[in-house]
Amino acid sequence: NAGVTQTPKFRILKIGQSMTLQCTQDMNHNYMYWYRQDPGMGLKLIYYSVGAGITDKGEVPNGYNVSRSTTEDFPLRLELAAPSQTSVYFCASSYSQGRGDEQYFGPGTRLTVT
Amino acid sequence: QQPVQSPQAVILREGEDAVINCSSSKALYSVHWYRQKHGEAPVFLMILLKGGEQKGHEKISASFNEKKQQSSLYLTASQLSYSGTYFCGTEASRGSTLGRLYFGRGTQLTVWP
Repeated sequence: NAGVTQTPKFRILKIGQSMTLQCTQDMNHNYMYWYRQDPGMGLKLIYYSVGAGITDKGEVPNGYNVSRSTTEDFPLRLELAAPSQTSVYFCASSYSQGRGDEQYFGPGTRLTVT
Repeated sequence: QQPVQSPQAVILREGEDAVINCSSSKALYSVHWYRQKHGEAPVFLMILLKGGEQKGHEKISASFNEKKQQSSLYLTASQLSYSGTYFCGTEASRGSTLGRLYFGRGTQLTVWP
């Protein structure tokens, strides 16, 4: 099993550009999450999904959109990129939503917006 | 809802012990512990559940005080490989955030030979 994979690993965007961060898991997990990690701030939840077709906002959803058409994929869309979105983005998955189940993290995408 | 971790940083010699604390103002269902090495993804260490159940690595020990909403991670006889940033993630017992994790800011642990 590859676990949770993310692409790209690095990306530089100009202000106002858009992009999609890809996330795929092959563990048949129902729950998937997107976090952003800023230096010294821990992980902040952007969006999460409890299954195909179901998504919900986390702590910091503004400026992002998600979709979940399959169990395996959970892409994160950035529209009109801003410097405040410079961060490291982690996708994670778990069998259930935190209740006694660990979250498996992808390797991350380092995004810089200039 | 972000839990508070202490200390912010710890520096140890190999073989020394350390304790990392995590405190929440909310009633908790579970506390998760993860370790992250520089430039890598967080890796699961342990989950402590309300009621006393624990899941995780045998060499890692931790406690969960349900009355105080506090958890502590115990690192004994530290090894160089223990270096990294440790995060606790807390899951509330009730409310609209049921099931979601809120992560602390992390504790940076450095182990020197």
